[in-house]
Amino acid sequence: KQEVTQIPAALSVPEGENLVLNCSFTDSAIYNLQWFRQDPGKGLTSLLLIQSSQREQTSGRLNASLDKSSGRSTLYIAASQPGDSATYLCAVPPSNTGKLIFGQGTTLQVKP
Amino acid sequence: DAGITQSPRYKITETGRQVTLMCHQTWSHSYMFWYRQDLGHGLRLIYYSAAADITDKGEVPDGYVVSRSKTENFPLTLESATRSQTSVYFCASSESGGLTDTQYFGPGTRLTVL
Repeated sequence: KQEVTQIPAALSVPEGENLVLNCSFTDSAIYNLQWFRQDPGKGLTSLLLIQSSQREQTSGRLNASLDKSSGRSTLYIAASQPGDSATYLCAVPPSNTGKLIFGQGTTLQVKP
Repeated sequence: DAGITQSPRYKITETGRQVTLMCHQTWSHSYMFWYRQDLGHGLRLIYYSAAADITDKGEVPDGYVVSRSKTENFPLTLESATRSQTSVYFCASSESGGLTDTQYFGPGTRLTVL
């Protein structure tokens, strides 16, 4: 059974710092890996989707990498800003039906 | 409004009552999903639907019923609410539920069962 783990559960950094969020999964037979952002009291917003054949995806200051063999993905945030404060979740579909298994998230606080 | 909407946004009910949470999407996405989010458990899939009149169980389906008579609507019913069903419920949709597309989430419904 696929399990997704995110460490740390919470992270606090000063504004301007580059940071890395980690996501690990137990079964490397994944179709893709997705990163979401959740603001307090809101729904999830998709940030990046990395196909299993890709090594990384970039969107603005965000860069996500995928290493299937080691069961790991990282989300790199460059030059962090207070507006980046949110919970970041990773998720993988165990099949091609689009059903997602989520990690429990990393709550990021960027201090001005 | 374009996108995916949920109603009500907040609901308080009592144990044993029937409650229906509504989800509506304007994209004509084939796939729709219901999740619940709880502290300590994260997001868990309750039910999903691949198309109108096609539904299937997720990880935690007990105590819930879904239907999908129209592509754009996917209501979730708690037949006899229990306190353990106090949670935040999210609806999501995706174009194909396949290999390349992401899921789009609604704003959530916060349900409290007294």
